[in-house]
Amino acid sequence: AAGVIQSPRHLIKEKRETATLKCYPIPRHDTVYWYQQGPGQDPQFLISFYEKMQSDKGSIPDRFSAQQFSDYHSELNMSSLELGDSALYFCASSLRVGGGGTDTQYFGPGTRLTVL
Amino acid sequence: AQTVTQSQPEMSVQEAETVTLSCTYDTSESDYYLFWYKQPPSRQMILVIRQEAYKQQNATENRFSVNFQKAAKSFSLKISDSQLGDAAMYFCAYRSASGANSKLTFGKGITLSVRP
Repeated sequence: AAGVIQSPRHLIKEKRETATLKCYPIPRHDTVYWYQQGPGQDPQFLISFYEKMQSDKGSIPDRFSAQQFSDYHSELNMSSLELGDSALYFCASSLRVGGGGTDTQYFGPGTRLTVL
Repeated sequence: AQTVTQSQPEMSVQEAETVTLSCTYDTSESDYYLFWYKQPPSRQMILVIRQEAYKQQNATENRFSVNFQKAAKSFSLKISDSQLGDAAMYFCAYRSASGANSKLTFGKGITLSVRP
């Protein structure tokens, strides 16, 4: 079965640079979520999109922005990178109950971002 | 706000034995979902099991089962016939049933080691 695809898998940036992370949800899934997992920590919710509209927002810095496109893929844009942004960034997707799904979130393999 | 607590940071089990991982949560909602996710050294987040709060029957997936005590707000994971491949970090997670608040809230996780 098709899974969530994230690219790139690894990314190394310098401080103050910009990064763009991409996520391709499971086909037919209508909701995308972004999570940040720091070293030794649990994943923290950043933002989510349902049918290309922002549906929920968590502890996402103002330096970060995200959107979902017409083909349902999503991009997380991160500017003015800081050392503390080094983390594993997960994208997850789900299909809502109203759409015939169970709302269960399935995670991609993550993008490991290192800020030097 | 909902919180998820995993008070045991580490546990160890002998191969082929049974182990139970504990999780408690706090919420004022009556309808919600609970999950256990496994994160092996590859850092992939893998869904282990899902429980719907309105269902009294405990969920089971092969060697994995839960003990869901709604009144006590307890959600433990039992792994039977433990295998070396079960060694991983396990996260308990909560999700509201409200479509407008669909993020996952994770516990701090527990590291499970399996002794051969």
